[in-house]
Amino acid sequence: DGGITQSPKYLFRKEGQNVTLSCEQNLNHDAMYWYRQDPGQGLRLIYYSQIVNDFQKGDIAEGYSVSREKKESFPLTVTSAQKNPTAFYLCASSISPRGSVHFGAGTRLSVL
Amino acid sequence: AQTVTQSQPEMSVQEAETVTLSCTYDTSESDYYLFWYKQPPSRQMILVIRQEAYKQQNATENRFSVNFQKAAKSFSLKISDSQLGDAAMYFCAYRSAKGNKLVFGAGTILRVKS
Repeated sequence: DGGITQSPKYLFRKEGQNVTLSCEQNLNHDAMYWYRQDPGQGLRLIYYSQIVNDFQKGDIAEGYSVSREKKESFPLTVTSAQKNPTAFYLCASSISPRGSVHFGAGTRLSVL
Repeated sequence: AQTVTQSQPEMSVQEAETVTLSCTYDTSESDYYLFWYKQPPSRQMILVIRQEAYKQQNATENRFSVNFQKAAKSFSLKISDSQLGDAAMYFCAYRSAKGNKLVFGAGTILRVKS
């Protein structure tokens, strides 16, 4: 089945620790995105990538980093500089700027 | 910058009845796309319906239809014959034809009463 796989489903971070959220897609989509969702709120864009080895900051990129070494993969690292990382993180992809955006099942990150 | 506004934090509907969720947006562009996404308790984001701005005809997907008023920058979602499984958070979203990112509204919680 084609789709977007996010792992892990739940993740816990200790103070001062960097953690990486995985996102893999087998849809052959060029564009990939990371969104953050806080309770009762809409989604805010963290980073996006239109092609391999290229990515741009979204609206709330501070404290996060990404890489796009393969078309299928777009991992998100939540660094220790992100002081309020507790949220639900959604990865998404689209075949082109005109294509519909499809989402993975999400990762819930909490701070210990 | 584009913005999307959903003015109804919560809505309720009786099973089998019709409900309309409101959405307005602000943009200076003429070519763009609008979407409604459903987020059930599982938190999986599910695409409900999509509208291209250049199309005058309103999009329809089974029990879901939109009322797209381009001049008024309004994009409401109508759910007919509401079912218990329709209960979820609904998000309206905008995407420029030139850009890549989706801009989301704050969402509307829809409750369906049996």
